[in-house]
Amino acid sequence: QKEVEQDPGPLSVPEGAIVSLNCTYSNSAFQYFMWYRQYSRKGPELLMYTYSSGNKEDGRFTAQVDKSSKYISLFIRDSQPSDSATYLCAMSPTGANSKLTFGKGITLSVRP
Amino acid sequence: GAVVSQHPSWVICKSGTSVKIECRSLDFQATTMFWYRQFPKQSLMLMATSNEGSKATYEQGVEKDKFLINHASLTLSTLTVTSAHPEDSSFYICSAPLAGGTSYEQYFGPGTRLTVT
Repeated sequence: QKEVEQDPGPLSVPEGAIVSLNCTYSNSAFQYFMWYRQYSRKGPELLMYTYSSGNKEDGRFTAQVDKSSKYISLFIRDSQPSDSATYLCAMSPTGANSKLTFGKGITLSVRP
Repeated sequence: GAVVSQHPSWVICKSGTSVKIECRSLDFQATTMFWYRQFPKQSLMLMATSNEGSKATYEQGVEKDKFLINHASLTLSTLTVTSAHPEDSSFYICSAPLAGGTSYEQYFGPGTRLTVT
C-alpha cells in the first residue's frame, strides 16, 4: 500500500461545477496536509495547507482533513477554465523543513 | 512571496555526458533544499535532501554517485546527473523551505526538463 493514494483521473467538469478532489493516506504520523496546483511543464504552487483535522476556506477553495479516516479533500466552487491543471496532495509528519510525500496527482479539465 | 529559480529550464544532452542543474532561492536563505524527479503523468518523487555545508541525504533507490548534489551556499544547490542515459530523461524540480518555517512554507522551482539522446 502506498503512503498516499490519489485517484489519478482525469476529471472533466463543466464551468461552474463544484469539484471534489480526494486523497487517502496510511501514515498516521502525517500532521500537515497541503494541496498543490501544477500547470503543464511548471513547478507546483501551493494552494492550501491544513494542520491536523479540520476545514480551511480560501475564496473558492476549501480544504478538509479527517484524520480519523485518513482522508483529505479539496473542493473547488464555481470552477473556471483557468482551474484546469494537475492537483497534487502532499503531506508531512512534522512542521519544520520536512520532506513532503505527494499523491500521484489528478488532472482536472474545466470545460467552458 | 519567496521565489526559487532553476537553471536551465530545458536541456538536451548526449548519452554519457554530465549535466548540471542549479536551484537558487532568490530572496531567502535555505539551509535545506529538496530535489524531485517527475516522469510524465506521474507524481513528484523525492530524490534527495540537500543540506548546506554537509552531505546530501538520498532516498532509497537513488544512486548517489550518479546524482551528485552540492549545496554550496545558503541560496544555491546543484544537481549533477553524471553519465546521463536516456532513462534519466525527466522533469527535475527543486524546492526550498523557509528556514525555520513549517513544511507548507516550501517553494518550488519551475523545473528543468532533461532530455538525454
